[in-house]
Amino acid sequence: QVQLVESGGGVVQPGRSLRLSCVVSGFTFSTYGMHWVRQAPGKGLEWVAVIWNDGSERYYVESVKGRFTISRDNSKDTVYLQMNSLRAEDTAVYYCARWGFYGDIDSWGQGTLVTVSS
Amino acid sequence: DAVMTQSPLSLPVTLGQAASISCRSSQSVVHSNGDTNLNWFHQRPGQSPRRLIYRVSQRYSGVPDRFSGSGSGTDFTLKISRVEAEDVGVYYCMQGAGWPWTFGQGTKVEIK
Repeated sequence: QVQLVESGGGVVQPGRSLRLSCVVSGFTFSTYGMHWVRQAPGKGLEWVAVIWNDGSERYYVESVKGRFTISRDNSKDTVYLQMNSLRAEDTAVYYCARWGFYGDIDSWGQGTLVTVSS
Repeated sequence: DAVMTQSPLSLPVTLGQAASISCRSSQSVVHSNGDTNLNWFHQRPGQSPRRLIYRVSQRYSGVPDRFSGSGSGTDFTLKISRVEAEDVGVYYCMQGAGWPWTFGQGTKVEIK
């Protein structure tokens, strides 16, 4: 079955960097675009970034542009989120999610918690 | 950016009764390919979101038929015909028509 497993979260000081990984299984990774979506504690969902199945295009929410980079390695069935210059407001559970075929998100990982605090 | 506005934000319901959640977009959610990319998700406490509805009204495999989606243009609705205990949690609409994709604030459904 489809599985998405995030890792790399933790506690980091403001201004520092962190890289999240999401390893997938159960489907042909290179066929699907992938998203990162985050959820601050007690808050709603916020879409963060997307990468095309072949890595040819990427888009970001305005608040992370220039600081976050989404990438993927189709040989490792893995999508990444490099997060630089982290801020307190980046504190959230970060979900890896699969871009379905209908302008949708059809699968989600379990999430990894990133806490930005001094 | 398309702002998605849900109402109500809190919805106490009686088991077996119907529930309805509204989602309005500040702009069209029709993709350039002509599809209306309006989706609904359900998130139970402590869990990841799970898919419910895509393209306004299409249920994913395994989603009970008591869930239905409707609407067009910028005005959409999720209905639960007879609420069951497992339906508690937060419901989100999301548009996938233009970047950035955006979610509604969420509607918390709880049992009276």
